[in-house]
Amino acid sequence: RKEVEQDPGPFNVPEGATVAFNCTYSNSASQSFFWYRQDCRKEPKLLMSVYSSGNEDGRFTAQLNRASQYISLLIRDSKLSDSATYLCVVRGSYGQNFVFGPGTRLSVLP
Amino acid sequence: DAGITQSPRHKVTETGTPVTLRCHQTENHRYMYWYRQDPGHGLRLIHYSYGVKDTDKGEVSDGYSVSRSKTEDFLLTLESATSSQTSVYFCAAGGTADSYNSPLHFGNGTRLTVT
Repeated sequence: RKEVEQDPGPFNVPEGATVAFNCTYSNSASQSFFWYRQDCRKEPKLLMSVYSSGNEDGRFTAQLNRASQYISLLIRDSKLSDSATYLCVVRGSYGQNFVFGPGTRLSVLP
Repeated sequence: DAGITQSPRHKVTETGTPVTLRCHQTENHRYMYWYRQDPGHGLRLIHYSYGVKDTDKGEVSDGYSVSRSKTEDFLLTLESATSSQTSVYFCAAGGTADSYNSPLHFGNGTRLTVT
């Protein structure tokens, strides 16, 4: 089983739609969680950190479920500019490295 | 802008030649990383550094070496480039002595083609 798993998609949604991605991780000792977005042929960029209580940044909401070992990302009112690949990233305890999921591709259609 | 620059941005080289990629950061991050990204594989860790002269191997370290003589610079060397090392290379940095769990920030990548 891979350490971090994501549905690769693609998710094709119309503008204005709400879309949700899930990511599962296998290391129960993981302590830090992040969502990154990556545009085609560009570097990954931090979208948001994920906190235990869940957090929101504008149209984006992230949730963490430690018991089931998954994190989620909800995008409301999708924009064309949201089209990208979304990477789930998990980090374990001190001394462990960041583990990247394979990414979920989102296409927002006009 | 996270203050991480990579050079060169693009490079074409021949099989068997040595290649060095440079990563420079201005934010005094403690941890620095080199990843490669290939279709179907996502981001894979090559080497990382947890301080000046402190480095360790990642999951795909064969054929690569690194050096970190200053906090701000992390070099990746392909001793004898092979076609399988054609890839996009990303440098990343993050974390301080007091903030281990801070996220990574990436440079804008180096596209390396080995012919």
